[in-house]
Amino acid sequence: GNSVTQMEGPVTLSEEAFLTINCTYTATGYPSLFWYVQYPGEGLQLLLKATKADDKGSNKGFEATYRKETTSFHLEKGSVQVSDSAVYFCALSDQGGGNKLTFGTGTQLKVEL
Amino acid sequence: GAVVSQHPSRVICKSGTSVKIECRSLDFQATTMFWYRQFPKKSLMLMATSNEGSKATYEQGVEKDKFLINHASLTLSTLTVTSAHPEDSSFYICSAHRASGSQETQYFGPGTRLLVL
Repeated sequence: GNSVTQMEGPVTLSEEAFLTINCTYTATGYPSLFWYVQYPGEGLQLLLKATKADDKGSNKGFEATYRKETTSFHLEKGSVQVSDSAVYFCALSDQGGGNKLTFGTGTQLKVEL
Repeated sequence: GAVVSQHPSRVICKSGTSVKIECRSLDFQATTMFWYRQFPKKSLMLMATSNEGSKATYEQGVEKDKFLINHASLTLSTLTVTSAHPEDSSFYICSAHRASGSQETQYFGPGTRLLVL
């Protein structure tokens, strides 16, 4: 079956530091890959996605590249802000985003001044 | 972006009672909605897929008689936790599937915190 593995948190960084949150997956076929973000007290929001190998998703300074050879979709940001503090979930879907999503366990990010 | 609401945002109930949670897509029609359960510091676990006008599809291990799902319209799905017990206390999240051209995305509600005493 499908599975997603994320690095465990919490990850604590100083403002303007570089962020990497690792995500690897196991899936049959060619899944679409997603990063969702959950800010405190809010629901999950789609941060970015990639639907095929070598695609790069980007949004709000965050990037992730779909690497089929390493089955990875690591999230990166060059300079984090306090407002980026949230829980980040990596997920995959077999067909676009409309079908069932398989989530990783989430990684909490804390950004301090 | 698209908006999905849930009501109530939090509920406390006595053991043995039933609780209904509503999930609404406010600005689009959703033939498919999903219900998840999120445990503390854990991932989201898909409970069931709710299809408008037909029976929900439950994931393995989820009791369909305990978690009743009704998707009566293109903008509303409800999850009823019947005869709730303390172990049902959790954070329940819904999402609505939106298809726009070739783009398909799930939009999530803010979640409902259920506490069963």
